[in-house]
Amino acid sequence: KQEVTQIPAALSVPEGENLVLNCSFTDSAIYNLQWFRQDPGKGLTSLLLIQSSQREQTSGRLNASLDKSSGRSTLYIAASQPGDSATYLCAVRYSSASKIIFGSGTRLSIRP
Amino acid sequence: ETGVTQTPRHLVMGMTNKKSLKCEQHLGHNAMYWYKQSAKKPLELMFVYNFKEQTENNSVPSRFSPECPNSSHLFLHLHTLQPEDSALYLCASSQAGTGDQGTQYFGPGTRLLVL
Repeated sequence: KQEVTQIPAALSVPEGENLVLNCSFTDSAIYNLQWFRQDPGKGLTSLLLIQSSQREQTSGRLNASLDKSSGRSTLYIAASQPGDSATYLCAVRYSSASKIIFGSGTRLSIRP
Repeated sequence: ETGVTQTPRHLVMGMTNKKSLKCEQHLGHNAMYWYKQSAKKPLELMFVYNFKEQTENNSVPSRFSPECPNSSHLFLHLHTLQPEDSALYLCASSQAGTGDQGTQYFGPGTRLLVL
């Protein structure tokens, strides 16, 4: 069964810290992996997308890595800010057509 | 604000009502998706449309009926829903096809409450 797991479910850190969010998937034959953020009651905002042939993607203070052999992806956030507080979701696509599976998310809180 | 809009943003309906959710994307994409997000559960893919054709129905009950009249619009028709169908319904779009990036763009969602 294809599953996507995100641990921890919730994380609280003081402002300014660097942090890592984890995503693991059971089937390594992925097409791509995408990280999103979701603010309370809102839709999802795409952060980074990594194709199966890539190892990492960077955008500003965010860096996402992909290790298919171990079935893991990490989202690194540098110099965290209160505005980074949100739920971060990992989604794995298993084909070019569809079959997208989301993790349950990590709820991140950055303390001022 | 994203290029994907959803209406209404909030909806309260009884179990005998019929209502429709609307999604419109202004990004020139050719794939559209319906997701359901319930409290304390992962986001669930419901339907996928590629080039107006339904390519995935993720075992969704027939009381949910999607419609995709063109690549820019997607509807979700609702009838005889149950209280457990209360959730946030999210629409997304992406560019499908060989070698596409596949980045999905989401709308703000419709918060549905079934009484």
